[in-house]
Amino acid sequence: DAMVIQNPRYQVTQFGKPVTLSCSQTLNHNVMYWYQQKSSQAPKLLFHYYDKDFNNEADTPDNFQSRRPNTSFCFLDIRSPGLGDAAMYLCATSRSYDRVVLYFGPGTRLTVL
Amino acid sequence: QQQVKQSPQSLIVQKGGISIINCAYENTAFDYFPWYQQFPGKGPALLIAIRPDVSEKKEGRFTISFNKSAKQFSLHIMDSQPGDSATYFCAAMGSYIPTFGRGTSLIVHP
Repeated sequence: DAMVIQNPRYQVTQFGKPVTLSCSQTLNHNVMYWYQQKSSQAPKLLFHYYDKDFNNEADTPDNFQSRRPNTSFCFLDIRSPGLGDAAMYLCATSRSYDRVVLYFGPGTRLTVL
Repeated sequence: QQQVKQSPQSLIVQKGGISIINCAYENTAFDYFPWYQQFPGKGPALLIAIRPDVSEKKEGRFTISFNKSAKQFSLHIMDSQPGDSATYFCAAMGSYIPTFGRGTSLIVHP
């Protein structure tokens, strides 16, 4: 089945230790999104790609970076995780800007010790 | 990101009852209003959506009511079932980027 896959599902890191979260998709969608979801809060868009074009939200901290080496894969790098970065990180895809349905992965739960 | 306000934060309903979740938005440029359903351990999945040129859309037991002048929309779940227990997010889309509400945790008791 076509899907959005996120690895790992659970990630524990230490304060200040860089961490990378990965997302892959078999849907061949042009657009990929990274959302941060904290408990009882709305998912917050960090950035998105349309093909290789990178779009960063204005309030996304510089501590967060992303790479999309090809259509199928997208990575979220947190250079120096702080306690406030503990959250669920959701990857999503959509076919293109005129296709408004988002397909989400199951998320990666990040814990910062 | 423009804000989307969602209420209630949590909702408990008996089996067979009606669940109602409300959302309000500010930006009149929003042009697509989806609802996503999220089960524990899963990512959100599209449940139902509406465009602002209609006032209601129904799919099975799920209905969206849309009030453009009030900038409000709501999800009604008729004959609620225990399997509907999940977190529900409303969203509003403009420029093809969704802005989500905070979510409503729905529990349907058998």
